Amino acid sequence: AQSVSQHNHHVILSEAASLELGCNYSYGGTVNLFWYVQYPGQHLQLLLKYFSGDPLVKGIKGFEAEFIKSKFSFNLRKPSVQWSDTAEYFCAVNSIYNQGGKLIFGQGTELSVKP
Amino acid sequence: DVKVTQSSRYLVKRTGEKVFLECVQDMDHENMFWYRQDPGLGLRLIYFSYDVKMKEKGDIPEGYSVSREKKERFSLILESASTNQTSMYLCASTTRGRFQYFGPGTRLTVT
Repeated sequence: AQSVSQHNHHVILSEAASLELGCNYSYGGTVNLFWYVQYPGQHLQLLLKYFSGDPLVKGIKGFEAEFIKSKFSFNLRKPSVQWSDTAEYFCAVNSIYNQGGKLIFGQGTELSVKP
Repeated sequence: DVKVTQSSRYLVKRTGEKVFLECVQDMDHENMFWYRQDPGLGLRLIYFSYDVKMKEKGDIPEGYSVSREKKERFSLILESASTNQTSMYLCASTTRGRFQYFGPGTRLTVT
């Protein structure tokens, strides 16, 4: 069955610490990959996406993610987090043959950054 | 900027009531989606639509129905609300080659 797994349910970091959030997927065929972020009280918004090409993708606010096909992974990274990065982060996947089609989401990772 | 709007941010309904959640997008997107978001479960797809009057079941369609009479509007209907449908409901839209844009969500409480 198609699924997305995020390893950490809740991560607590101090400001300036480095961040890595794990995401693994199980999906037959070639995929598109996404990270969405939901800041407190705000709507879900796109952080970054991978459709094809360079497996290292850069997003907004200094975030990046690396697609490792052999590991079915798309981990999110940031070298130095800020208090304003406190949010919930969701990894998602869909098929390239169905662009614009339905997404499969992970369970979400809540990130708390202590000032 | 793409805008996806939802009719209510907060809604409180009683068990057995019929509930309508409305979603409107202003970018002429073909595809629209309804998800529910629950802690620890992420987002789960309820229904989606690829065109006017077309609908397809998602992963958890039981207890829900949808309507898409116009391209810009996608409605989610709870025929007889139950307490286990208390949740955050998110609408999204997209077009081919793009990512999904989400609305602000409707937090529904069924008492």
